[in-house]
Amino acid sequence: ETGVTQTPRHLVMGMTNKKSLKCEQHLGHNAMYWYKQSAKKPLELMFVYNFKEQTENNSVPSRFSPECPNSSHLFLHLHTLQPEDSALYLCASSQGREANEQFFGPGTRLTVL
Amino acid sequence: AQSVTQPDIHITVSEGASLELRCNYSYGATPYLFWYVQSPGQGLQLLLKYFSGDTLVQGIKGFEAEFKRSQSSFNLRKPSVHWSDAAEYFCAVAPRGATNKLIFGTGTLLAVQP
Repeated sequence: ETGVTQTPRHLVMGMTNKKSLKCEQHLGHNAMYWYKQSAKKPLELMFVYNFKEQTENNSVPSRFSPECPNSSHLFLHLHTLQPEDSALYLCASSQGREANEQFFGPGTRLTVL
Repeated sequence: AQSVTQPDIHITVSEGASLELRCNYSYGATPYLFWYVQSPGQGLQLLLKYFSGDTLVQGIKGFEAEFKRSQSSFNLRKPSVHWSDAAEYFCAVAPRGATNKLIFGTGTLLAVQP
């Protein structure tokens, strides 16, 4: 595996379900990100982790719970979501915080019924 | 508030024609500037970035962009479009000292006619 991988690629869940999205980066980076991409809206930064520590929470509802056990893995735990949470969730990684490119995974297409 | 505007939601060009995608930003100071491309079912890929220096920036796949401070613009150009360039293009900015806080525009969807 190379780059940034995300699983699953597609997920359909009910509002009462609990599910998790997984992201893994194989680039040796130390920063990881979750973004939400909704139709006709700009990408929204949700969370940022640097060296496994959360450094940014962009006013995300508590029904989204991130976890970063090490610099290579990032999870997004989902529970009691709403239909408006349906979107493409993108993971990214970068080396440090300064002047460096973010590398994106292919995303998980989430549908909440 | 910081913002990025991509005024063209959808653009169609003929293969071989030139392309310009517009991007304007609203920011207190000159930010870092980026263009990303997203093909269907894929994540975003960086085309080019501007941090400082020469205001004409060369990127991958034959793209270039020009930073114009007076117009707060960072337009993306390509002299001859290929069918494989059909994708969605995103302009993004980040404050100096914190490139992990990317702010994206809403994107421009490019269609290429044969």
